[in-house]
Order: sequence, then structure tokens, then C-alpha cells
Amino acid sequence: AQSVTQLGSHVSVSEGALVLLRCNYSSSVPPYLFWYVQYPNQGLQLLLKYTTGATLVKGINGFEAEFKKSETSFHLTKPSAHMSDAAEYFCAVSDPQTGANNLFFGTGTRLTVIP
Amino acid sequence: EAGVVQSPRYKIIEKKQPVAFWCNPISGHNTLYWYRQNLGQGPELLIRYENEEAVDDSQLPKDRFSAERLKGVDSTLKIQPAELGDSAVYLCASSLDGLAVFTDTQYFGPGTRLTVL
Repeated sequence: AQSVTQLGSHVSVSEGALVLLRCNYSSSVPPYLFWYVQYPNQGLQLLLKYTTGATLVKGINGFEAEFKKSETSFHLTKPSAHMSDAAEYFCAVSDPQTGANNLFFGTGTRLTVIP
Repeated sequence: EAGVVQSPRYKIIEKKQPVAFWCNPISGHNTLYWYRQNLGQGPELLIRYENEEAVDDSQLPKDRFSAERLKGVDSTLKIQPAELGDSAVYLCASSLDGLAVFTDTQYFGPGTRLTVL
């Protein structure tokens, strides 16, 4: 069974500061990993995803995430926060063994950017 | 290109009433998903369609929920009768082909926020 834990339901950073959103997964096999962003009253938008290959994945809007198998983590980072980054961020996994692209989401982290 | 369209955006009903949500996926997308997102939680899959076939409905509460995707394009999710605990955001997503392209990207609609009083 797949599960995702996002540490910190709320994270606040100052504009220009480093953004670090944490995600740990539980899986019997290495899953595929995703980060989605949700702006108020909008649907989820894919930021980036890891399937195979290079463990450092670059996404849109300057975000990147690194898959660390030994730590079962897929933390999301951005060197310098912008006001427009304020949103809800969801980490998700899919199970390669099920043969389907069903996503299992974490509970989300709300990012606040302080001017 | 238009994204995933959902309607209505908001719906307020009294308990025991029926309600329906509509979704039009991105043109050409064969796979359609319905998710429920409770307050403060991540989305949870309710049902997945490959064309007009429901291939995974294991999380759909079948006593009161039903869904259809006639002609393999748009889809309707229905609740009858609604309960207080059904208050949530119902999200629709679509992807090109959830089976053949294993890590196919899912594109989400804005959701329907349901409030059951």
C-alpha cells in the first residue's frame, strides 16, 4: 500500500527565502512521485514528477525536488520564494505495481510568503 | 486549448437531496478521474474511467454514489441522497491514457464545492 506524509501543514517563509516542503512516502517498491500545487479556487497543477533516472527533478516556476531512496523522501525546494508561490502544495505517489496511474495524495502543506 | 471543465462550481443542498456534478475532460483524453477532497485533506480517488469503462471504482460508495461516462467523453457524478459528510470539493481530472502511458500527467479541473446542510 502507498502512503504519503507531508510534514508541516503550514509553512511560512519570507519573500526571497528558501522554500522547503517535506514529503516522505511509504512503499514496498520505489513509487513514482509527484508534486502538485493548488491555488485558491483552482484545480491542481503538476509542478514536477519523478519516474526513473536522475534523482534531482526540475519543475515549473523554479521548483525542484530530489528523490532520496535511502530516506524515502521527495522534498520540494525553491531557492527564493516569491509572493506568487503562496498556495497549497500536495505530494503524491503512484504505485508501479498496480499498472494504473492512480495517485495517492498527502494532506498538503499551505505555503505563506511574507513580504 | 481548454482545460478540464466542471460545473457547477458551487452547490449548496440540504441533506437527503440529490446532487449531480458534470465534467468535460480535455479533448482527446481517454482517461477520466473523479476525486473527493475533504477540508484540509488531499484528494482521494473515487472512480477512474478508461473511455466509457469504469476500471477502478473500489473507493466509490456505491450505496449513494453513481457515475457515468456515456460515449467516453464527459462524465456525471451523482449523489443520492446526500449526507452531511458528503460536504467536500469534487475534482475531475483527465489524462491522455492512464494505462499505456504509465506516468501520464493528470490535468485537474477547478472542482465543485459541495455544502450539505
